Amino acid sequence: GAGVSQSPSNKVTEKGKDVELRCDPISGHTALYWYRQSLGQGLEFLIYFQGNSAPDKSGLPSDRFSAERTGGSVSTLTIQRTQQEDSAVYLCASSLVSYISTDTQYFGPGTRLTVL
Amino acid sequence: GQQLNQSPQSMFIQEGEDVSMNCTSSSIFNTWLWYKQDPGEGPVLLIALYKAGELTSNGRLTAQFGITRKDSFLNISASIPSDVGIYFCAGPVDSNYQLIWGAGTKLIIKP
Repeated sequence: GAGVSQSPSNKVTEKGKDVELRCDPISGHTALYWYRQSLGQGLEFLIYFQGNSAPDKSGLPSDRFSAERTGGSVSTLTIQRTQQEDSAVYLCASSLVSYISTDTQYFGPGTRLTVL
Repeated sequence: GQQLNQSPQSMFIQEGEDVSMNCTSSSIFNTWLWYKQDPGEGPVLLIALYKAGELTSNGRLTAQFGITRKDSFLNISASIPSDVGIYFCAGPVDSNYQLIWGAGTKLIIKP
């Protein structure tokens, strides 16, 4: 398919374990975003990648969260020592460029993370 | 910090009815975005607004950029079952790429 894909679609883990969430953006899209969506809430910005520039990590809630993007394509969001408050849907989006007024963010279906 | 307040939180409507929802902010926005999220999916952009007073349509959907630049409205005419979902407003803050989002308006159609 041509859309943004994310894996796994669901992840259940125990408190204290590490998890990795994967995002495959649309081919050719240089910008990639990670968001967190808690139940009944809007989306919370986590991190932004644009080409080879240093990522904007200003939205990461703690140092347990990190993300990387290899080769300007696939991205992995890692949460270390998971806590119950990390339970949420993690959404990835990509766009061709990063200027809002000329570009659209295309979202993947998300990974639903449940920390027991 | 900047916040977007959406209302109503949820709506129960009959098929065929018109729907109105709005989004307000305490600060000025230069762009307003309206997204729809279906269950188990990511949000999809419906309408983007770039100028105060702008009125833009997408099929049965019409959105307006408030003149004060602190609010926006989304209307859906003659609702159908596939309109069910959560509608979010969003706008860029500080940078051009970082969006803040409202908490959403959940649309439910009565059987």
